[in-house]
Amino acid sequence: AAGVIQSPRHLIKEKRETATLKCYPIPRHDTVYWYQQGPGQDPQFLISFYEKMQSDKGSIPDRFSAQQFSDYHSELNMSSLELGDSALYFCASNPSGRHSGELFFGEGSRLTVL
Amino acid sequence: GQNIDQPTEMTATEGAIVQINCTYQTSGFNGLFWYQQHAGEAPTFLSYNVLDGLEEKGRFSSFLSRSKGYSYLLLKELQMKDSASYLCAVLDSNYQLIWGAGTKLIIKP
Repeated sequence: AAGVIQSPRHLIKEKRETATLKCYPIPRHDTVYWYQQGPGQDPQFLISFYEKMQSDKGSIPDRFSAQQFSDYHSELNMSSLELGDSALYFCASNPSGRHSGELFFGEGSRLTVL
Repeated sequence: GQNIDQPTEMTATEGAIVQINCTYQTSGFNGLFWYQQHAGEAPTFLSYNVLDGLEEKGRFSSFLSRSKGYSYLLLKELQMKDSASYLCAVLDSNYQLIWGAGTKLIIKP
């Protein structure tokens, strides 16, 4: 069965550079979530989209932005990268809108900022 | 504030049974979820409880008591592959998923 696809899987950037992460949800899933997870920490919710509109906003820095496109894929844009942005970034989707906690996670994009 | 508490780490023996507890204080409740996460991998959904009682799914069971703000995940017949972090998460009244910090389960032969 198709899963959530994230790209790139690994990314190395310098401080102050820009990075873009992509997420392709499971077909027919209408809700996409972005999470940031540091080593040994729980996932920190960044932002979510439902039917291409932003539905909830978590601890996403102002330097970050995201959107969901007409084909339901989503992109997380990160600018002015800082060392503390180094983390695993997960995208998750679910088929039931924002009223469900059963999330299907992608394998994550590991960002390293040097 | 919203708070979910789980033990940081637990150790158990292969073939045994382990219970991982989770207590929560959230603004509203729309369900409690358990996820398994192996190191460096994505969390995977294990179970969902919204009503009081026990939900059994193979070797894994999850229990909920809403009046006590308490849940546990029970793992039976432990296997080495069960070594992972187990995350408790609550869907609050705004349908935000509030995550616990996870319990690292170490299985010994």
